[in-house]
Amino acid sequence: QKEVEQDPGPLSVPEGAIVSLNCTYSNSAFQYFMWYRQYSRKGPELLMYTYSSGNKEDGRFTAQVDKSSKYISLFIRDSQPSDSATYLCAMSEGAGGTSYGKLTFGQGTILTVHP
Amino acid sequence: DVKVTQSSRYLVKRTGEKVFLECVQDMDHENMFWYRQDPGLGLRLIYFSYDVKMKEKGDIPEGYSVSREKKERFSLILESASTNQTSMYLCATDTYTDTQYFGPGTRLTVL
Repeated sequence: QKEVEQDPGPLSVPEGAIVSLNCTYSNSAFQYFMWYRQYSRKGPELLMYTYSSGNKEDGRFTAQVDKSSKYISLFIRDSQPSDSATYLCAMSEGAGGTSYGKLTFGQGTILTVHP
Repeated sequence: DVKVTQSSRYLVKRTGEKVFLECVQDMDHENMFWYRQDPGLGLRLIYFSYDVKMKEKGDIPEGYSVSREKKERFSLILESASTNQTSMYLCATDTYTDTQYFGPGTRLTVL
């Protein structure tokens, strides 16, 4: 079993739809949770960053973390064609431990938002 | 803005060749990372470095080595390239914040 599992997609939605992207994980030591967005032929860029459980909102994006269920989600409201990209979840135990801030990534979900 | 640059966007090499991929960052970050990205597998950590001349193996170090002689530069070396090393290679950097900044990637094809 992989340490982080991400819904593989691909996902295709109409413009304006609400998108839900999800990851589950098995390592209870993960404390930091991130979502990266990667456009075609580009490197990933950080989209959302959350520490421990709870919700975080940034414009049309909401990140949710449920540590008790080992489950994280990214919601995109009013999706736009410019949101078409690969979305990667990532997790870390934290730089203070022995992991030196190592991230463990999900497999990525390809999202297409069509006009 | 953090800038992470990689020496080549596209590279084609032959089996058995020695391949150097170079990464340079301009933000004085301590940590640097090399990943490979393959469809369905996500990003997998090859090696990382938390200081000059220091290196640690990641999850898939076999067939690779690294060099960090200066803080801003981290090189990935394929000693003898093989076809199963055809992949997208991504360099990243951070400064103990768990927020990694990525370069644009190098798409390597080994024939």
